[in-house]
Amino acid sequence: AQSVTQLDSHVSVSEGTPVLLRCNYSSSYSPSLFWYVQHPNKGLQLLLKYTSAATLVKGINGFEAEFKKSETSFHLTKPSAHMSDAAEYFCVVSGGGSQGNLIFGKGTKLSVKP
Amino acid sequence: EPEVTQTPSHQVTQMGQEVILRCVPISNHLYFYWYRQILGQKVEFLVSFYNNEISEKSEIFDDQFSVERPDGSNFTLKIRSTKLEDSAMYFCASSQGRFNQPQHFGDGTRLSIL
Repeated sequence: AQSVTQLDSHVSVSEGTPVLLRCNYSSSYSPSLFWYVQHPNKGLQLLLKYTSAATLVKGINGFEAEFKKSETSFHLTKPSAHMSDAAEYFCVVSGGGSQGNLIFGKGTKLSVKP
Repeated sequence: EPEVTQTPSHQVTQMGQEVILRCVPISNHLYFYWYRQILGQKVEFLVSFYNNEISEKSEIFDDQFSVERPDGSNFTLKIRSTKLEDSAMYFCASSQGRFNQPQHFGDGTRLSIL
């Protein structure tokens, strides 16, 4: 069965410093992985996706993630945090096989201090 | 950029009543989904819909729930005889394809059962 584990429920960084949000996955199949962001009172916005092409995936707003099969990880990074990055971030894996549904991690709340 | 739209943004209903949550998926998408997020918990898959029928559903999606595409644009989730534990944020999503395709989410409907 597919699953994702987000290792931190809350991450706090200062503006201008790097961001690292950690995610490990478990998959019986070659996984498709996604990061979504949710700003307060808004829906889930796709940041980036990995679907077995390049292992380093670039997304919107300067975010990127690296797929590491040996570590079963798909961590999200950004070189320099901006105040507008404060939100909740979800690591997501596709259901795999005949399943088209998405399986969400518990989410990591990112706070950015001025 | 095309969006998934959901109405209402907030629905308050007495326990035992029926509710219908409405969604307008992105117009050229073929697959439609409902997810829910109980406060403080993970986003959970409920059901996917393609070609006017349910393609997958989770254990949560029991006989209390139904989905419908009553016309060419709307996609609805009906909850019969609501229970307190149905209180959650309900997200609609759509995608062009089924497997490994990013799903685009609406802003959600917050359902409060009294």
